[in-house]
This record gives sequence, structure tokens and C-alpha cells, in this order.
Amino acid sequence: NAGVTQTPKFRILKIGQSMTLQCTQDMNHNYMYWYRQDPGMGLKLIYYSVGAGITDKGEVPNGYNVSRSTTEDFPLRLELAAPSQTSVYFCASTRSGRDNEQFFGPGTRLTVL
Amino acid sequence: AQTVTQSQPEMSVQEAETVTLSCTYDTSESNYYLFWYKQPPSRQMILVIRQEAYKQQNATENRFSVNFQKAAKSFSLKISDSQLGDTAMYFCAFMKRAGSNYQLIWGAGTKLIIKP
Repeated sequence: NAGVTQTPKFRILKIGQSMTLQCTQDMNHNYMYWYRQDPGMGLKLIYYSVGAGITDKGEVPNGYNVSRSTTEDFPLRLELAAPSQTSVYFCASTRSGRDNEQFFGPGTRLTVL
Repeated sequence: AQTVTQSQPEMSVQEAETVTLSCTYDTSESNYYLFWYKQPPSRQMILVIRQEAYKQQNATENRFSVNFQKAAKSFSLKISDSQLGDTAMYFCAFMKRAGSNYQLIWGAGTKLIIKP
């Protein structure tokens, strides 16, 4: 089991560019999440999905989009990157939503200049 | 609004000492889950321990234990016999219900440094 994998590990974008952060899990988890972690802060939820074809907004969804066409993959799309999106992005998955441990990917460090 | 507060931005102790990290939360729910996650310099987020609110017994995992005070909405983490590998950011998180889903609300974290 690779667990949760994320690509790329690092990326520098120019203002206005777009990119997709990839996330894949091989644990057959239904629930998947995207978080951002700003310096000195805890994680904030961007989007989540409770299964293939179902996504919903979290706390800070503006400037991002997601899709969930398969159980395994949950890509995060940044359109028109802005310096405020400079952050570390984590993808996570869990078997069910309530008490189960969320398994995290290694994160993507994104800098927008 | 449900919030999680970690009042200690940074702590440091000598190896083998015991250290307690504080966490308080605010909620009107009666049943919920609380978690402590560890984030070492590698950035990988790792679950340390979890507690279900209706269970009065404090959770323990080897050297890690919690002091859960439901009435006070307090959920502190105690690390006994601290080791150099315990150096990390520690995050307290509260699981709240959001429609058909459950979401984690995170504290800002405590940076723990274990000195040799």
C-alpha cells in the first residue's frame, strides 16, 4: 500500500497561471479531503468528497475546483493563481467520516510569485 | 462557531522528561471526537491519539496519553519519557458534523522541541 500520494512535491507558479495538484489513494477510501496549511497555522479544509461523483466546499474553497471521477483520485485545480494561494497543500482520505483516522499525503509546497 | 485553541506556540524539554500540551475547544455538540496529530519536519501528518467524547476513560497509546475534561472542554496531551523523535508540531483537532460529512477543525499547533 502506497497510502496517499501527491504530486508534485514542490511548485512555483506565476500570478495568473493554473495548475492541478494530483492526489491518489489506494486504500479504497470513500472520503477524501484537500487542506491548505499556511505558516504557523493549522489546516483549513478547501474541498471534500464523500464518494466518486460527489464533492462539496469546505471552509476556504474560493479560487479552487475539484472533481472526483474515481474512488482513487481527487485532483485539486487552481485557476488564476494568486500570491494568497502560497501554502502547503495536503490531501487526506478516510474510510468513513466519523471517527476514523485521516491518512495524509506528504503535501505539496506551492509558491505563487 | 466551533474552534480549537492551542495556547502554547512552542515548548521545549529535555529528553526523558514528561511534557503536556494544552488544547481547548468550543462546541455545543454532546458527542464528538478529538484527535492529536503529529507533524515532524518531514511534513507527514501522523495520528497520535484519539478520544471519543462519551467515553470517560482517557485514551492512551504507549507513551502518549490524554487528559480529557469534557465539562471544561479541555483535551491535553501528555508525552512521557520524551524522545528526540518526538520533536514535531503537534495539532489538536475536533471532529464536527457537517451535513452528511464530518470535518476536522484544527488548532494552530504547538512546536515541541526535545533537547538531548
